[in-house]
Amino acid sequence: EVQLVESGGGLVQPGGSLRLSCAASGFTFSRYWMIWVRQAPGKGLEWVANIKQDGSEKIYADSVKGRFTISRDNAKNSLYLQMNSLRAEDTAVYYCARGVIHDYWGQGTLVTVSS
Amino acid sequence: DIQMTQSPSSLSASVGDRVTISCRASQGISNYLAWFQQKPGKAPKSLIYGATSLQSGVPSKFSGSGSGTDFTLTISSLQPEDFATYYCQQYIDYPITFGQGTRLEIK
Repeated sequence: EVQLVESGGGLVQPGGSLRLSCAASGFTFSRYWMIWVRQAPGKGLEWVANIKQDGSEKIYADSVKGRFTISRDNAKNSLYLQMNSLRAEDTAVYYCARGVIHDYWGQGTLVTVSS
Repeated sequence: DIQMTQSPSSLSASVGDRVTISCRASQGISNYLAWFQQKPGKAPKSLIYGATSLQSGVPSKFSGSGSGTDFTLTISSLQPEDFATYYCQQYIDYPITFGQGTRLEIK
């Protein structure tokens, strides 16, 4: 059974940092692009970043470029999102999803940026 | 950026009804179109990819059509568990973009 489990969310002050993790199981992690998508409270879905199977290609939304870094460890079947210089508008539930067609999603982890 | 516009933004329907949700892209996206269902407090669930292909395990009451700029999601014989918010998404180009969502409510 494919499973994606996010962790690492929490309350952080503006300007702070947080690292999200997504633990994958039930499939060959190294064969898939992986994606982060976020959803602000009461709002729609926003794509954040993609990473290629071997980590050689990373693509970011303009809203997070230069502040967030997507990475992966295929040996640990894990996806990461390092978030720096956090702003109030980064407050959202962050989801990881599998593949170009986002066929499986994790349950999400809430990030709240507030003083 | 490719803008995705869904209509209607909200829709009221009854159990047993057939409904259609539309999604328009600001430029041609071939068939690089996906549909997702999201229930309150839950993660999105993939329904359709490639505009018309049903994800594994998704019931055939869901169907997608369209190509280029105009797409539709049709749900037949609505059941209580189908009442949710639906999003379209284009994945032909970056940034990947979603429609604003269509909230399907029980009449």
